[in-house]
Amino acid sequence: KAGVTQTPRYLIKTRGQQVTLSCSPISGHRSVSWYQQTPGQGLQFLFEYFSETQRNKGNFPGRFSGRQFSNSRSEMNVSTLELGDSALYLCASSLRTGDITDTQYFGPGTRLTVL
Amino acid sequence: AQTVTQSQPEMSVQEAETVTLSCTYDTSESNYYLFWYKQPPSRQMILVIRQEAYKQQNATENRFSVNFQKAAKSFSLKISDSQLGDTAMYFCAFMKPSWGSGTYKYIFGTGTRLKVLA
Repeated sequence: KAGVTQTPRYLIKTRGQQVTLSCSPISGHRSVSWYQQTPGQGLQFLFEYFSETQRNKGNFPGRFSGRQFSNSRSEMNVSTLELGDSALYLCASSLRTGDITDTQYFGPGTRLTVL
Repeated sequence: AQTVTQSQPEMSVQEAETVTLSCTYDTSESNYYLFWYKQPPSRQMILVIRQEAYKQQNATENRFSVNFQKAAKSFSLKISDSQLGDTAMYFCAFMKPSWGSGTYKYIFGTGTRLKVLA
């Protein structure tokens, strides 16, 4: 079974631009969560989508948004990029059949650099 | 608010030796889950081990085991017979579920970079 895939793997943008990242979960997984990983802050939870609905949200500004499609693929959008948005963005998928402690499977991440 | 602290930014261990990574957390909850994740260099993060707070028995997964001290809010990871492939960043994570709403909250520590020396 194919793992979680994320595209693109690397991205360079300038301040003020917007960016869209994509995540394809493991086949059959219905939940996709997004995390921001930085050296100073570690991993911080952005949000989770399940059945095309945002079910959980971390403490990030409204510039960070996402959506999920009917095939469970998810996109994350960051508008008006700031230098501090430079990070590795990870997505993780899980079955979410009812046990919300299902194991999360992580993708390789998208490394975003904001200049 | 819950916090997770990993006080050891970097550690090293000789191959075949045993190493313990520490993790402490702060919460007023009684029902939660704890995890250790491993992120090898340039590779995907994977789950190493998980512990349900309501279980007194420490979780084990082959060479990986935890020492869960609920009262002390401590959750350390012991790696026995360390192998070169264990070189990675290790993250401790706390998760609190809200069963009624079906939501949860994950909080990760800042990680411990472990290097296994040949």
